[in-house]
Amino acid sequence: AQSVSQHNHHVILSEAASLELGCNYSYGGTVNLFWYVQYPGQHLQLLLKYFSGDPLVKGIKGFEAEFIKSKFSFNLRKPSVQWSDTAEYFCAFTPGGKLIFGQGTELSVKP
Amino acid sequence: EAGVAQSPRYKIIEKRQSVAFWCNPISGHATLYWYQQILGQGPKLLIQFQNNGVVDDSQLPKDRFSAERLKGVDSTLKIQPAKLEDSAVYLCASSLDIGSSSYNSPLHFGNGTRLTVT
Repeated sequence: AQSVSQHNHHVILSEAASLELGCNYSYGGTVNLFWYVQYPGQHLQLLLKYFSGDPLVKGIKGFEAEFIKSKFSFNLRKPSVQWSDTAEYFCAFTPGGKLIFGQGTELSVKP
Repeated sequence: EAGVAQSPRYKIIEKRQSVAFWCNPISGHATLYWYQQILGQGPKLLIQFQNNGVVDDSQLPKDRFSAERLKGVDSTLKIQPAKLEDSAVYLCASSLDIGSSSYNSPLHFGNGTRLTVT
């Protein structure tokens, strides 16, 4: 079945710590990959996306993600998190034209 | 630009009652989506419109859910009758692109309607 799995439900970090959120998808064909973020009290918004080309993509606010085709992964990284990064992060992909979301990872950053 | 507008923000109903949600997408966006987000899960696509036509409603429980986008702009999603398991946040999103490119441009989401069925 076409699905996307996020490894962690809730991650708690201190400010300045490094972040890596795992994302793995299940699909044998070509996919587009996304990370969306939902800050407290706000709507979902696009953080970054991968369609083709350089597998390392950079998004807003210092986030980046790397597509590793052999591992069906698209992990999100940030070298140094800030309190304002506290949010819920959703990995998503498009197998066959549908946008399918993972279950989300809640990130709490302690000041 | 103005964002995607949804109303109401919150709704509490009893099971077997009916409820309707409204969405006004960003002006000029051809594609409109309704997602259901149950607590602890990611959003799940219910229906996708391109202008006023349905592109994908394969995951819409058609025995109780209906949606329309009559003039290719605003959209309403209705549940009749509601069940306890329909408690969720209902998200509307829109995007500029159409057809197979509909996910190439970002989806713009509204703040959602939180439905509680008691």
